[in-house]
Amino acid sequence: EVQLLESGGGLVQPGGSLRLSCAASGFTFSSYAMSWVRQAPGKGLEWVSAISGSGGSTYYADSVKGRFTISRDNSKNTLYLQMNSLRAEDTTVYYCAKEQTTGNTFSGRGGMDVWGQGTTVTVSS
Amino acid sequence: EIVLTQSPGTLSLSPGERATLSCRASQSVSSSYLAWYQQKPGQAPRLLIYGASSRATGIPDRFSGSGSGTDFTLTISRLEPEDFAVYYCQQYGSSPRMYTFGQGTRLEIK
Repeated sequence: EVQLLESGGGLVQPGGSLRLSCAASGFTFSSYAMSWVRQAPGKGLEWVSAISGSGGSTYYADSVKGRFTISRDNSKNTLYLQMNSLRAEDTTVYYCAKEQTTGNTFSGRGGMDVWGQGTTVTVSS
Repeated sequence: EIVLTQSPGTLSLSPGERATLSCRASQSVSSSYLAWYQQKPGQAPRLLIYGASSRATGIPDRFSGSGSGTDFTLTISRLEPEDFAVYYCQQYGSSPRMYTFGQGTRLEIK
């Protein structure tokens, strides 16, 4: 069964850091670009970041550029999101998601067909 | 950056009725890069439609997508009780490479 399982969420003070993880199983992890998508309570979806299958190319939303870093360890089938300089507006549920289309690049063709259950990040003093 | 505007914000219909959800882009979008998702409370989004009109694996054929350029539509031909949820359209932009989502349409039981 294809599965994504996020972890690492929690309560952090403004200006603090947190690292999210997403463990993948049931598919050839290195063959797919991956994304992080977040959703504030009662709000819509916001794409945060993406990474190519090899990890060599990364992409960010303007709202997190310079503060968040996406990475992956294909030997461990795990995706990461390092979040620094956290702000109150970063308080959301964070989902990891798999590209439907196989290939190393973040191509967007096919959308995201597998999602994790989400992990909650709360930034508050 | 392309902005996606979904309408209506909320749609109230009864089971068995037909639902038509709209997604309008601020500039032309390649159909290859337009997707629709369904999200139920407390759940992750689920891919319904990709490439504007292709159903994802396991999606019932009562769901269909259409459109091109700046106007796209998700149609649910005959609403089932489990279809009441929030629906998002999404597009992929190549320069810069990024996804953007519409603000969502809430489909509620009338």
